[in-house]
Amino acid sequence: EVQLAESGGGLVQPGGSLRLACAASGFTFSDSPMTWVRQAPGKGLEWVATISGSGGSTYYGDSVKGRFTVSRDSSKNTLYLQMNSLRAEDTAVYYCAHQSGWSYFDYWGQGTPVTVSS
Amino acid sequence: DIVMTQSPDSLAVSLGERATIHCKSSRSVLYNLNNQNYLAWYQKKPGQPPKLLIYRASTRESGVPERFSGSGSGTDFTLTISSLQAEDVAVYYCQQYYSAPPMYIFGQGTKLEIK
Repeated sequence: EVQLAESGGGLVQPGGSLRLACAASGFTFSDSPMTWVRQAPGKGLEWVATISGSGGSTYYGDSVKGRFTVSRDSSKNTLYLQMNSLRAEDTAVYYCAHQSGWSYFDYWGQGTPVTVSS
Repeated sequence: DIVMTQSPDSLAVSLGERATIHCKSSRSVLYNLNNQNYLAWYQKKPGQPPKLLIYRASTRESGVPERFSGSGSGTDFTLTISSLQAEDVAVYYCQQYYSAPPMYIFGQGTKLEIK
């Protein structure tokens, strides 16, 4: 059974940094692209970043490009999202998601909340 | 970039009645080599993660009730709930996964309520 568990969310000041983690189990971690999606309060779902199974390719949404970095550690079966230069508009619940190849998101974690406020 | 537009933004349907949500893509998401539409539907309830309902525009995910169905091709797609149940109250999102390099754009969401 695929399981994803995010951690690392919390309160951070504008301009600060935070690193989210997503512990994965139940599948061959290096076989699957993985993605971060977020939902700001009262808003819709927003794709944040995707990383290939090998970690060699990364892709970002325009709103986070240059500030966020997605990475993965196959020895720990863990996906990461390093978030720098955080802004109030980055406040959201962040979900990690397993992809069925380069396609839809079939398994999701429960999410971790991030609040950017002074 | 592909833009996904859903209609309506909100919808109120009586229990047992049909609910229909539309999704329009600014460009075709039909991949000609395999004749597959790279379009998914998700259900999002408060406090829960999104749940995959439909992929390839019309393939129901395992465990999803048969009352949920997807249709359409190219740029116009529909999610239909044939007989609305109380537990179907949620926000529904369409998403394209056609873009290369990947840009997994979601529609703005449709809020479904009980009338």
